[in-house]
Amino acid sequence: NAGVTQTPKFQVLKTGQSMTLQCAQDMNHNSMYWYRQDPGMGLRLIYYSASEGTTDKGEVPNGYNVSRLNKREFSLRLESAAPSQTSVYFCASSQVGLSSYEQYFGPGTRLTVT
Amino acid sequence: SQQGEEDPQALSIQEGENATMNCSYKTSINNLQWYRQNSGRGLVHLILIRSNEREKHSGRLRVTLDTSKKSSSLLITASRAADTASYFCATDARGFQKLVFGTGTRLLVSP
Repeated sequence: NAGVTQTPKFQVLKTGQSMTLQCAQDMNHNSMYWYRQDPGMGLRLIYYSASEGTTDKGEVPNGYNVSRLNKREFSLRLESAAPSQTSVYFCASSQVGLSSYEQYFGPGTRLTVT
Repeated sequence: SQQGEEDPQALSIQEGENATMNCSYKTSINNLQWYRQNSGRGLVHLILIRSNEREKHSGRLRVTLDTSKKSSSLLITASRAADTASYFCATDARGFQKLVFGTGTRLLVSP
């Protein structure tokens, strides 16, 4: 199993450009998440999807949109990139149940907006 | 704002020594998790402790939780160079799927 995969690994954008970060999981998890990690800030939740067909805002959703394409895939879109969105983006998944809250993370996408 | 704050921000020890890092949080939780992040990689889940538990063990890891003080500690015994990483606590204070991560402790274990 590949676990959680993310593409691309690195990306440089100019201010105003758009792009979509892709995430896929092969663990049949029901929930998926997008986080950003900035130096000294820990991870902050952007959006999450509790199940296929649903999405909800996290702590820092402004400037982002998401799509839960199917159970496996959850994409994050920046419509008009800004320098403040320079960060490392992590996708995660989990199988939420009575006793399971562990999240599995992808390797991250390092995004620079100039 | 961050829910969890780790202390210390950085810790440097020798192989074989124990490493203790602390996490404080602000509001009631149902569970608290610890994750490890190696440089340039994603996070890896280490251990989860529920609000009705006081202590939990997993291999060389020992986690304690004091809900009255809103704090948790992670102890790594007999540290190895491979334990060099950043360690984050995460709480479910905003909902069981809205994990809130602390700022992390950077651990350096020297051979």
